[in-house]
Amino acid sequence: TAGITQAPTSQILAAGRSMTLRCTQDMRHNAMYWYRQDLGLGLRLIHYSNTAGTTGKGEVPDGYSVSRANTDDFPLTLASSVPSQTSVYFCASSDGRGGNTEAFFGQGTRLTVV
Amino acid sequence: GQNIDQPTEMTATEGAIVQINCTYQTSGFNGLFWYQQHAGEAPTFLSYNVLDGLEEKGRFSSFLSRSKGYSYLLLKELQMKDSASYLCAVKDSNYQLIWGAGTKLIIKP
Repeated sequence: TAGITQAPTSQILAAGRSMTLRCTQDMRHNAMYWYRQDLGLGLRLIHYSNTAGTTGKGEVPDGYSVSRANTDDFPLTLASSVPSQTSVYFCASSDGRGGNTEAFFGQGTRLTVV
Repeated sequence: GQNIDQPTEMTATEGAIVQINCTYQTSGFNGLFWYQQHAGEAPTFLSYNVLDGLEEKGRFSSFLSRSKGYSYLLLKELQMKDSASYLCAVKDSNYQLIWGAGTKLIIKP
């Protein structure tokens, strides 16, 4: 089934440890995004990539890094995790960034930093 | 700053109609989206409005007034499976999606 796959589904991480959240899409979409979703807040953009080889910072980029070596993969890395990074992380993609292009979401990664 | 406002929670009865409102203040406007998100799942696309007026898709309709910075999602003939959160999002002048916190809709039999 075509779509976006995230791994892992959930993870408990000790504070200070690093972790990479994986995201792969098979729709050949140019644009990809990482969001975090916290209770009572809207989805907040962490980083984005408009096309392979380019990345940009979103609303809440601190403590996170991304890379976009190819069209399909867009991993998110937490270099030294902190409890405030406990959240549900969603990867999304869209066919360009034009007005009516909808975003497709992965199933999410629930991360708990203790 | 940019802001999207929608009610936190609404309750409705199976078979009835419910209207979920969304007001926005953004730097620029390139369309408004509604997404549905069931608990523990990913958001899924429902509708897109860029011009004023009503867009109808089966039991769901979405309305936009750009001059008022206002949209609503209308759900008719409510079913138990419509229990979910409904997210309003606006694309700003940079084509970046700005998201509301979502409205949790509870359907009672």
